Amino acid sequence: AQSVTQLGSHVSVSEGALVLLRCNYSSSVPPYLFWYVQYPNQGLQLLLKYTTGATLVKGINGFEAEFKKSETSFHLTKPSAHMSDAAEYFCAVSLGNLIFGKGTKLSVKP
Amino acid sequence: DVKVTQSSRYLVKRTGEKVFLECVQDMDHENMFWYRQDPGLGLRLIYFSYDVKMKEKGDIPEGYSVSREKKERFSLILESASTNQTSMYLCASSTRSYGYTFGSGTRLTVV
Repeated sequence: AQSVTQLGSHVSVSEGALVLLRCNYSSSVPPYLFWYVQYPNQGLQLLLKYTTGATLVKGINGFEAEFKKSETSFHLTKPSAHMSDAAEYFCAVSLGNLIFGKGTKLSVKP
Repeated sequence: DVKVTQSSRYLVKRTGEKVFLECVQDMDHENMFWYRQDPGLGLRLIYFSYDVKMKEKGDIPEGYSVSREKKERFSLILESASTNQTSMYLCASSTRSYGYTFGSGTRLTVV
């Protein structure tokens, strides 16, 4: 069965610092992988996705993620955090329906 | 842009009421989904549908039912609302290429 683990329910960084949000998955075969962002009182917006091909995936708002099969990981990074990045981030895996992690709330300090 | 529209942003209902949450998508997507979102639990799949008049149970279907009479509309029904169904409900639609689009959510409070 598929599952997704996001390490850290809350992450706090300073403006301009590196953002690293961790995601590990469990799947018997390489799945499709996604990162979504949710701003307060809104639905989920797709940041990026990995299906096949290049393992480094670039998304919107300067985010990127790297699929590492050997580590079963799909960590999300951004070189320099902005105040507007404060939101909740969800990693998801799919071999059919989407299975979500529990989310990581990112805070950005001025 | 694909749009998924949920009819209400906020709802307050009484225990025991029958509640309908409506979701409409405008891009002819085959697949539609209902999730509930609770703090610390992430998103959990309630029901999904891959075609008109077709429905499948997700991970937490108890206390819910769904209806899909038309391709663009997927309704979630709480037959007899209870306080433990107070939550944020998110509808999504997708094509077979795994692109999910979410609605803005309905925050339901059952009192």
